[in-house]
Amino acid sequence: SQQGEEDPQALSIQEGENATMNCSYKTSINNLQWYRQNSGRGLVHLILIRSNEREKHSGRLRVTLDTSKKSSSLLITASRAADTASYFCATDPRRDDKIIFGKGTRLHILP
Amino acid sequence: SQTIHQWPATLVQPVGSPLSLECTVEGTSNPNLYWYRQAAGRGLQLLFYSVGIGQISSEVPQNLSASRPQDRQFILSSKKLLLSDSGFYLCAWTPGRGGETQYFGPGTRLLVL
Repeated sequence: SQQGEEDPQALSIQEGENATMNCSYKTSINNLQWYRQNSGRGLVHLILIRSNEREKHSGRLRVTLDTSKKSSSLLITASRAADTASYFCATDPRRDDKIIFGKGTRLHILP
Repeated sequence: SQTIHQWPATLVQPVGSPLSLECTVEGTSNPNLYWYRQAAGRGLQLLFYSVGIGQISSEVPQNLSASRPQDRQFILSSKKLLLSDSGFYLCAWTPGRGGETQYFGPGTRLLVL
């Protein structure tokens, strides 16, 4: 069953603008991760935030986690053409050897 | 540093033919290994994972199987492909506990005709 759901499904913004993507999940988690996938390629890990953390930064990326609302957001500041990709959140709801991916947000940066 | 390889990169196979996709990891030992399938424009579906040699857990019942003959080798197989097996197959590894960061290979695009 689907654990993480990204919103929106697709997003187009102008280069230089900020892009915000959201992820909602259903059960308690140990951590939440964000990945990027360029077309036809494998996924690349961006950032991991643990359940006891509220915000994390990595370069132009800012991730927040609200465990009371069971939601997370990924903010990409000052977007670039190279940020065009699909972005997935992933959670480990059963705290075992697996993580569950959402369906992703397709981000398109317009020149 | 660790690297993960998948081959072939692309494959076109007729319905009913066998399948063998290979994934190998370098630079680490005793990784957890995963096979995912991604339909066009969709999320990832976990097919199999392995926490050690010969240990395979199946997530979705289907005509696919997986094997781990060596510590850093993970193979996805089928005896008879179906049209619905078409998709993008991704292998991933994680250095220990599976809930942590996963590192993905470049993927294999399979088209069954």
